[in-house]
Amino acid sequence: ETGVTQTPRHLVMGMTNKKSLKCEQHLGHNAMYWYKQSAKKPLELMFVYSLEERVENNSVPSRFSPECPNSSHLFLHLHTLQPEDSALYLCASRPDSSYQETQYFGPGTRLLVL
Amino acid sequence: ILNVEQSPQSLHVQEGDSTNFTCSFPSSNFYALHWYRWETAKSPEALFVMTLNGDEKKKGRISATLNTKEGYSYLYIKGSQPEDSATYLCATILGNQFYFGTGTSLTVIP
Repeated sequence: ETGVTQTPRHLVMGMTNKKSLKCEQHLGHNAMYWYKQSAKKPLELMFVYSLEERVENNSVPSRFSPECPNSSHLFLHLHTLQPEDSALYLCASRPDSSYQETQYFGPGTRLLVL
Repeated sequence: ILNVEQSPQSLHVQEGDSTNFTCSFPSSNFYALHWYRWETAKSPEALFVMTLNGDEKKKGRISATLNTKEGYSYLYIKGSQPEDSATYLCATILGNQFYFGTGTSLTVIP
């Protein structure tokens, strides 16, 4: 176990639904990430938070809305998603933003949009 | 955007065989190269963080080398075991962003 948890592990939602993904770490890390993993594609960075402030946003559609209420919790709010948003969503954390610090990943949420 | 490539995409080896695969990355603006191991239904786990040209790191039967001048890293597994079956990811970092390759999927056949 890496110390990063994600809930739910699996989610099926319709295009008109609103749902949220949750990520939690109690490792004392200051940076948290959301990634999207689609089949046959590299891990795609969506959002980065450092010390609870968003520092990177890779032009992700507004139907994905992140929230970082404190350094231990990260949410990804989903609304009016499209079928092509079906993917594995991974959360990760790092102690700080030093390039030598590795990431600790959660197990992911497998999302299916119908 | 940094283009990180890994080859081969997949690999099947017999138990006991040694194997290696490659990660290629842009040699300019290099800070660090991260290797991860990702078993099915589990979280990706860090293997190595490499920063210096000529670096060589080892963890049990797994080792990695780094050439920052030509922009590549090799991952070696000696005497592969079924439990080594996983996808091996590499990533380079720029600022706060990690740029991942698509991974090499290794299957070790008992």
